[in-house]
Amino acid sequence: AQSVTQLDSHVSVSEGTPVLLRCNYSSSYSPSLFWYVQHPNKGLQLLLKYTSAATLVKGINGFEAEFKKSETSFHLTKPSAHMSDAAEYFCVVSDQPRGSARQLTFGSGTQLTVLP
Amino acid sequence: DAGVTQSPTHLIKTRGQQVTLRCSPKSGHDTVSWYQQALGQGPQFIFQYYEEEERQRGNFPDRFSGHQFPNYSSELNVNALLLGDSALYLCASSLKETQYFGPGTRLLVL
Repeated sequence: AQSVTQLDSHVSVSEGTPVLLRCNYSSSYSPSLFWYVQHPNKGLQLLLKYTSAATLVKGINGFEAEFKKSETSFHLTKPSAHMSDAAEYFCVVSDQPRGSARQLTFGSGTQLTVLP
Repeated sequence: DAGVTQSPTHLIKTRGQQVTLRCSPKSGHDTVSWYQQALGQGPQFIFQYYEEEERQRGNFPDRFSGHQFPNYSSELNVNALLLGDSALYLCASSLKETQYFGPGTRLLVL
């Protein structure tokens, strides 16, 4: 079984300061991991994905995440927050039990607030 | 290239009614997945369709059913609506591993 824990339900940062959104996962197989962002009243946009290549993954809008198998973590970072980054962020795991399609399991989300 | 599209954008129904939601995948994608996102929560997997068949299903009752057409578009049907079915319903399409989401249909059950 797969699961995702987002360690912070709310994160608040000042514009121009670093962002860290924390995510731990559990998976019975070699997982693929994703971060999606959801702006108010919008669908989900893919920020980045890890699929067993490089452990440091770069995404859109300056975000990146590092896959750490020993810590079962996939934290999302950005060096300098922008007001437009304010949104809900979801960490997502997808593994492949034998004979199964790739079902996505979402964390509960982290609401990022960016203060001027 | 149009992304994933869903219709309608909003819908209001009453308890006991039935509803059909529609999804058109990104061009070239052959797999459609449906998710339910209740207010303040992460999306929950309902089911996935590939080659016009349900390939995998999450923990949802049989009141939730679906269909995929030869052009890969898909429908989600919910029978005997309950108040708790009020949510944002998201469709995602994929060709391989990465799923791309539509804007969703917001369903309100009164």
